[in-house]
Amino acid sequence: GAVVSQHPSRVICKSGTSVKIECRSLDFQATTMFWYRQFPKQSLMLMATSNEGSKATYEQGVEKDKFLINHASLTLSTLTVTSAHPEDSSFYICSANGGRYTFGSGTRLTVV
Amino acid sequence: RKEVEQDPGPFNVPEGATVAFNCTYSNSASQSFFWYRQDCRKEPKLLMSVYSSGNEDGRFTAQLNRASQYISLLIRDSKLSDSATYLCAVWGGNMLTFGGGTRLMVKP
Repeated sequence: GAVVSQHPSRVICKSGTSVKIECRSLDFQATTMFWYRQFPKQSLMLMATSNEGSKATYEQGVEKDKFLINHASLTLSTLTVTSAHPEDSSFYICSANGGRYTFGSGTRLTVV
Repeated sequence: RKEVEQDPGPFNVPEGATVAFNCTYSNSASQSFFWYRQDCRKEPKLLMSVYSSGNEDGRFTAQLNRASQYISLLIRDSKLSDSATYLCAVWGGNMLTFGGGTRLMVKP
């Protein structure tokens, strides 16, 4: 139980375009999901907490207009990286608490 | 000061060695503690929770010292397959905060 599915696993996009990443809880409902970012050889850094039916809570230094989060249902949260730039290239991971804290498989974003 | 701190390593050890990782946390109100394992380019996976009384799972032993605000992970009889990054994590304030991770390299 407590499976979190994340798509896509890998994406390459051109600078200036937007990329949407989906995070789904497959066998449980998640009123809260978390989005992390991890740069090479660095730790997971919490970007924002996604709340079903309300606005996401962003961590200090994370631009809410650049990283759009939508949590429209109890099983789906999306993160859209708008106007992506090469410095946004990173490993993005979502997680949810379904009895235990479970991670999606991550999305490796490369902006060229 | 970071909320959760770990020695980044890397720890290079021979097979069969015993290796210990420590992690300190700054928030004394933290409620739960965990060790995760992360392989290269993969998501973290829960290795074990950490309890005040200490807990053991096979070759892995985790301990928590609330007074000194640190947690530890001991790996005995290291295997090549133990090579990975080990992240400690602290739950509090409705969020999980990770340390920077400690990289372990087990060599033949």
